[in-house]
Amino acid sequence: GESVGLHLPTLSVQEGDNSIINCAYSNSASDYFIWYKQESGKGPQFIIDIRSNMDKRQGQRVTVLLNKTVKHLSLQIAATQPGDSAVYFCAEFSGGSNYKLTFGKGTLLTVNP
Amino acid sequence: DVKVTQSSRYLVKRTGEKVFLECVQDMDHENMFWYRQDPGLGLRLIYFSYDVKMKEKGDIPEGYSVSREKKERFSLILESASTNQTSMYLCASSPAVDTQYFGPGTRLTVL
Repeated sequence: GESVGLHLPTLSVQEGDNSIINCAYSNSASDYFIWYKQESGKGPQFIIDIRSNMDKRQGQRVTVLLNKTVKHLSLQIAATQPGDSAVYFCAEFSGGSNYKLTFGKGTLLTVNP
Repeated sequence: DVKVTQSSRYLVKRTGEKVFLECVQDMDHENMFWYRQDPGLGLRLIYFSYDVKMKEKGDIPEGYSVSREKKERFSLILESASTNQTSMYLCASSPAVDTQYFGPGTRLTVL
């Protein structure tokens, strides 16, 4: 079946460095992707999204890159801060009447001061 | 900002009890969802609703039921709680079928 996965389950960075979190997807029909951030004990928080007709989208300190050729999605966080420490996971949506997002398992980002 | 609230942050129940988890959203969203989140398994969809009084089974509906009597409220019901239903339960709402906004979660422990 189709799946959304992550290359690295954990990532540790120094405060001020840039972070890159990766996600591989297998459903080539997926046309919409979302990155969520989940802090300990809280619900997932929407960060940024991207449609399949784009290959890059920028937000505040975050950039999402989409490479449809290799079915790869990444989240880049600039100047990582301790408050960025959380689990990040991607989700894909393939439209139609599915009404479902398929979520990845998540990567734990730890920012060291 | 979208606000999704859940009735309890932490809940402890006994095996066999009937459990109600409530979710309310204030953005007039059509779609609402219930997930459970377990370590190593990620988010799994239990039920969703795309309109009042409408419901659809997700990937793991067994042991659960839902109710949507009003647009802003979506309830998850555990008819007879079991220990394997100990989990973090997350509610989400969505104006369309893609972007979903989550509540803070309810951590349910069934003893």
